[in-house]
Amino acid sequence: QSALTQPASVSGSPGQSITISCTGTSSDIGTYDLVSWYQYHPGKTPKVLIYGVSKRPSGISSRFSGSSSGNTASLTISGLQAEDEADYYCCSYAGNYVVFGGGTKLTVL
Amino acid sequence: QVQLQQWGAGLLKPSETLSLTCAVYGGSFSGYFWSWIRQPPGKGLEWIAKVSQGATSDYNPSLKSRVAMSVDTSKKQFSLTLSSVTAADTAVYYCARVLYNHWYVDVWGKGTTVTVSS
Repeated sequence: QSALTQPASVSGSPGQSITISCTGTSSDIGTYDLVSWYQYHPGKTPKVLIYGVSKRPSGISSRFSGSSSGNTASLTISGLQAEDEADYYCCSYAGNYVVFGGGTKLTVL
Repeated sequence: QVQLQQWGAGLLKPSETLSLTCAVYGGSFSGYFWSWIRQPPGKGLEWIAKVSQGATSDYNPSLKSRVAMSVDTSKKQFSLTLSSVTAADTAVYYCARVLYNHWYVDVWGKGTTVTVSS
């Protein structure tokens, strides 16, 4: 199994929207609606932003949204804020195991 | 509030066995999967394994030959062993709680830095 493919970096200005893609295969994203997204600030533990492709856990801002089409999932962050600068990881169930993306570094300009 | 407290040796020599344990405080041990996830320096997250309360385990296929997980329900603890470590196993290791059905991590341990060096 290979890691899910994410862009290494994305950037945006405060107030703008950005989208991070996550490409898998028909063995993971393409079959299971069990994609999650995590925000990771260095020195802290990851925090889940999205689960089940598009669901937000309690307490997560509506500025974060998720979607999926075919073998690709996406995370959109609207109204970028300085504190959104972090690493973002997608994750998918792949049939009794889990595969992560390589991570995307978001820079808020 | 559920907390995961993890511990284990932080410095290993090549070919030794990594051993980590995670204890669950403030919440139920049943009804969840329990996992180990790692992050090598400068790299992304990698899922290692998960175990259920009933000790049914699943492993990352790329690590399966070297990995084992176990549970001690009475102590609300779960453990990871990784044999024949090499420098490539150097990473921060996290224990984590995974929600049934949704397969996402909602609680993380603080992480243990494991370095493999001769």
